[in-house]
Amino acid sequence: QVQLVESGGGAVQPGGSLRLSCEASGFTFSNYGMHWVRQAPGKGLEWVAFLRYDGGNKYYADSVKGRFSISRDNSKSTLFLQMSSLRAEDTALYYCARNWGRYCSSTSCYSDKWGQGTLVTVSS
Amino acid sequence: SYVLTQPPSVSVAPGQTARITCGGNNIENKHVHWYQQKPGQAPVLVVFDDTDRPSGIPERFSGSNSGNTATLTISRVEAGDEADYYCQVWDSNSDHYVFGTGTKATVL
Repeated sequence: QVQLVESGGGAVQPGGSLRLSCEASGFTFSNYGMHWVRQAPGKGLEWVAFLRYDGGNKYYADSVKGRFSISRDNSKSTLFLQMSSLRAEDTALYYCARNWGRYCSSTSCYSDKWGQGTLVTVSS
Repeated sequence: SYVLTQPPSVSVAPGQTARITCGGNNIENKHVHWYQQKPGQAPVLVVFDDTDRPSGIPERFSGSNSGNTATLTISRVEAGDEADYYCQVWDSNSDHYVFGTGTKATVL
C-alpha cells in the first residue's frame, strides 16, 4: 500500500534552517508529482510547494518563495523540503502529499495520498 | 491570487443531508477537489474533479460545480462524517494550489 513518511521536523530558532524528508513506498515514486502542505496549529491547510515527477517544474507559495526549496531523489523515492530563514509563522505540521499525476495542470492537480506529517516549531 | 471561501461551520442531524459550499470567481471553469480531515489525522480525498469519488469513498459523498459555487453534499449523514472539509483548486494563472478556508461539519 502507498506510504508516505515524513521526518526531519523539530524545534528551531527564528532565522534557522531545517530539512524535511518524505520517504515514499508502495508505488513508483518517479511517476508522480509531489506536494508539501502545512497546517499551523488550529488552522487550515496551506499549500507550500509542488515538484513534478522528474524534478522539473517547481512551484512555491508566495509565503515561502525564496526561503524554501523543494527537491527529490527518485533513486531513493524521497522528497525533500529545505527550509531557511525560518519565521515563527512557519510553525506547522508539514505534510507531504502525492499528486494524482506527473504534472499540475488545470485538469490534474490534487493530492490522492498524504503522509502523517512532521512538526516544525520555530521559536526563540 | 485566487481565493476560495467556505462557511466556517455547518451542522446537520444524523440521517439528514449536509451541503458545504466553496465560493470562487468563475469556479465552474476550474476542477474542484474536496478533502475530509478528522481531528489528529491527515486529510483524505473524498471528491476529485468536481464530481468523482476515489475508491473506498461512500456514494453518500457527492460534488457539483456551477457558476461561482462548488458544493460538497453528504447524504444520510453519520456521526463518523464529523470533520473539517476543505475544497481545493489549481490556479493555472498563478501556478498555485489553493485551499478553501475550511468548514467544520458537526453532527448533532
